[in-house]
Amino acid sequence: NAGVTQTPKFRILKIGQSMTLQCTQDMNHNYMYWYRQDPGMGLKLIYYSVGAGITDKGEVPNGYNVSRSTTEDFPLRLELAAPSQTSVYFCASSYENELFFGEGSRLTVL
Amino acid sequence: AQKVTQAQTEISVVEKEDVTLDCVYETRDTTYYLFWYKQPPSGELVFLIRRNSFDEQNEISGRYSWNFQKSTSSFNFTITASQVVDSAVYFCALSEAMRGAQKLVFGQGTRLTINP
Repeated sequence: NAGVTQTPKFRILKIGQSMTLQCTQDMNHNYMYWYRQDPGMGLKLIYYSVGAGITDKGEVPNGYNVSRSTTEDFPLRLELAAPSQTSVYFCASSYENELFFGEGSRLTVL
Repeated sequence: AQKVTQAQTEISVVEKEDVTLDCVYETRDTTYYLFWYKQPPSGELVFLIRRNSFDEQNEISGRYSWNFQKSTSSFNFTITASQVVDSAVYFCALSEAMRGAQKLVFGQGTRLTINP
């Protein structure tokens, strides 16, 4: 039982490049989330999903897209990377009010 | 809108001292959940506790204890006899309980340093 798995763990992007952060959970949870954590700050919700095919915006969705074609996967897409998107990204899933976080993906945009 | 305030940005104490991390929250919901997470230098988030708004009992887990007071909208966290391994950033978080999605609002975190 791997829990929530995020890839890659580290990535450096150039301004304007695109990339996808992958998130997979093997707990069959319906609810999944993407958060970002800027240096010295708490986490902020980017997008979340209540089940396959259903996604919704969180507090800071601009510059990101998500999809949820299966229960297991919840990828986060950055279309035109900007320095403001330099952050640590955490994926999570939840069941009965308990959240399970991945280990985080550190993204730097230069 | 929901908000969580952790006024203490950094705390530094000597090992074996007791230390309290403050958390004040704002919400208009009558049903909500409060959380504490630990983020050690390695960066992962470690779940410590979840408390629902109807349960105001204080909780103790080993050297950790939590004091939930709805009257002051506070959910403070105390470490007794601190140890160097307690050094980390601690986050308080709040979520509304709506349709099962746990959309957490985090405080800015308190960086706790325990000196030997």
